Amino acid sequence: EVQLVESGGGLVQPGGSLKLSCAASGFSFSNYWMTWVRQAPGRGLEWVANMKPDGSEKYYVESVKGRFTISRDNAKNSLYLQMNSLRAEDTAVYYCVRDRMDSSGWSADFDYWGQGTLVTVSS
Amino acid sequence: QSVLTQPPSASGTPGQRVTISCSGSSSNIGSNIVNWYHQFPGTAPKILIYRSSQRPSGVPDRFSGSKSGTSASLAISGLQSEDEADYYCAAWDDSLNGWVFGGGTKLTVL
Repeated sequence: EVQLVESGGGLVQPGGSLKLSCAASGFSFSNYWMTWVRQAPGRGLEWVANMKPDGSEKYYVESVKGRFTISRDNAKNSLYLQMNSLRAEDTAVYYCVRDRMDSSGWSADFDYWGQGTLVTVSS
Repeated sequence: QSVLTQPPSASGTPGQRVTISCSGSSSNIGSNIVNWYHQFPGTAPKILIYRSSQRPSGVPDRFSGSKSGTSASLAISGLQSEDEADYYCAAWDDSLNGWVFGGGTKLTVL
């Protein structure tokens, strides 16, 4: 059974940092793109970042470029999101998502989602 | 303002057919596949339609997706009360080099 379990959320002051983790199990983690998607309270979904199975390429939404870093440890079946210079508008539930590839090896769809971890940026 | 445009709400009575539209541009829907997700209150989203028209195993054939040009649609036939949820479309955007979502459509079964 595919499982994605996020941790690391919490309350942080504006300008602070937080690192989210996602423990993956039930599938061959090193063969999949992985993604972070967030959802602000009462709002819609927003893709944050994703990365290739081997970590060679990473992509970010414009609003987090230079502040957030996605990374992975395939030996530990883990995905991370380092968040720096946090702003109030980063407050959201952050979902760890398995990102299936298409036949060309590109990110194609999000087939499994974790339960999410809440990040609150407030003084 | 979301890159993909969806109506904020939709509704229907049990047994009816409803459609939810998703409008984009040549850099996203016009050149890439569209996926649909649904989300029930307090839970994580789940994939509903992938590659514009494919259903994952376990998704009833009451749900169908289509794409034409720079727009996509999700159709739900034989509407049931348990279909009440938020529905989101998504596509890769070649100009933004990232995934974009629609703003979501809240479906109410009257």
